[in-house]
Amino acid sequence: AIRMTQSPSSFSASTGDRVTITCRASQGISSYLAWYQQKPGKAPKLLIYAASTLQSGVPSRFSGSGSGTDFTLTISCLQSEDFATYYCQQYYSYPRTFGQGTKLEIK
Amino acid sequence: QVQLVESGGGVVQPGGSLRLSCAASGFTFSSYGMHWVRQAPGKGLEWVAFIRYDGSNKYYADSVKGRFTISRDNSKNTLYLQMNSLRAEDTAVYYCAKEQYSSSADAFDIWGQGTMVTVSS
Repeated sequence: AIRMTQSPSSFSASTGDRVTITCRASQGISSYLAWYQQKPGKAPKLLIYAASTLQSGVPSRFSGSGSGTDFTLTISCLQSEDFATYYCQQYYSYPRTFGQGTKLEIK
Repeated sequence: QVQLVESGGGVVQPGGSLRLSCAASGFTFSSYGMHWVRQAPGKGLEWVAFIRYDGSNKYYADSVKGRFTISRDNSKNTLYLQMNSLRAEDTAVYYCAKEQYSSSADAFDIWGQGTMVTVSS
């Protein structure tokens, strides 16, 4: 199985900050990578797919980049509603695998 | 609107069985692959199973292979997860999720609200 490793596991930031979360795959996955946002008690929400394509309705302050094994999710100007947990996921092969999550907290 | 609604969760003893359902609406259910994903309390997301749009292909996580069975009834727009030989470590919120496009590999664009399964004596 492809292992997905996110860093950091948790992070404190302030509204207005620029934040970058990284995700590394244990083997190449081309651009078959998605990012999800999850808030407590809620289902995950798709933010980005194909490594860098913004899902419809997602604010443009979210962006993704990378291919192969190294990927990043950037939030350009944190808003209060962005404090949540973020997961990367590869859909290159089965079993589908998620990163362990990055919890973004208010400083 | 596009919606997935899970049901069937509950408390079950170790070794017991449970069947989860996921009712789809607002899209052509029979055209999309579907997944089950679970999340143990306080933990991350774990993919569980996939079924192709026509039911012809299925994949499972090693942790549930041989115990869980994914199926679908396209005439009822419903996805199922039959869970047998349940263990304490199967305790989780179970989500159904839709593949974004009708192709071979896609992200999950629509998720249900989840249904809680607790395995405890």
